[in-house]
Amino acid sequence: QITLKESGPTLVKPTQTLTLTCTFSGFSLSTTAVAVGWIRQPPGKALEWLALIYWDDDKRYNPSLKSRLTITKDTSKNQVVLTMTNMDPVDSATYYCAHSGAVDGYTFDVWGQGTMVTVSS
Amino acid sequence: DIVMTQSPDSLAVSLGERATINCQSSQSVLYSSNNKNYLAWYQQKPGQPPKLLIYWASTRASGVPDRFYGSGSGTDFTLTISSLQAEDVAVYYCQQYCITRTFGQGTKVEI
Repeated sequence: QITLKESGPTLVKPTQTLTLTCTFSGFSLSTTAVAVGWIRQPPGKALEWLALIYWDDDKRYNPSLKSRLTITKDTSKNQVVLTMTNMDPVDSATYYCAHSGAVDGYTFDVWGQGTMVTVSS
Repeated sequence: DIVMTQSPDSLAVSLGERATINCQSSQSVLYSSNNKNYLAWYQQKPGQPPKLLIYWASTRASGVPDRFYGSGSGTDFTLTISSLQAEDVAVYYCQQYCITRTFGQGTKVEI
């Protein structure tokens, strides 16, 4: 059974850097054809894809946010970390991590419950 | 980047009736090398993470009832709920997954 759980601060100040950790079980990011992605959702708004990291350390970023994002993996800890710099109140959202696999072409087939992040001074 | 546009933004359907949601991409998501459309549909109920319903534009994910039907190719896609049930009240999102990923703005389905 695949599970994912997001963790990190619930409140960050404007201009600060946000660091979120996705801890997962039921699969390994050292296994071929596996990936983990991050997606966010401001309250009452649509989903926005942020980043994706593959088993081979290939990375993809949302072009509009690429300069602010870094995604890394620690296969020994079964974790994926997302950092977002220069946080702004508009970045307040629920942040999700999700499993992605080659069977379906790397959609997001299993999601974590999400973690709410508020950006405020 | 590929822009996904859904219509309508919301719709109300009677129980047992058909619900139809449209999704248009700004460029084709059909890969000629494998003839697959990189288009997925998700369902999100209040307070829950999204749930994958459909991938490859028309393949139901495991455990998804067969009243959910995906169709389309290239740039125009449709999610149909053939007979709406009370538990289908949710927001539905389409997503392209060519190289990057983009979601549509969502369609709210109500009774």
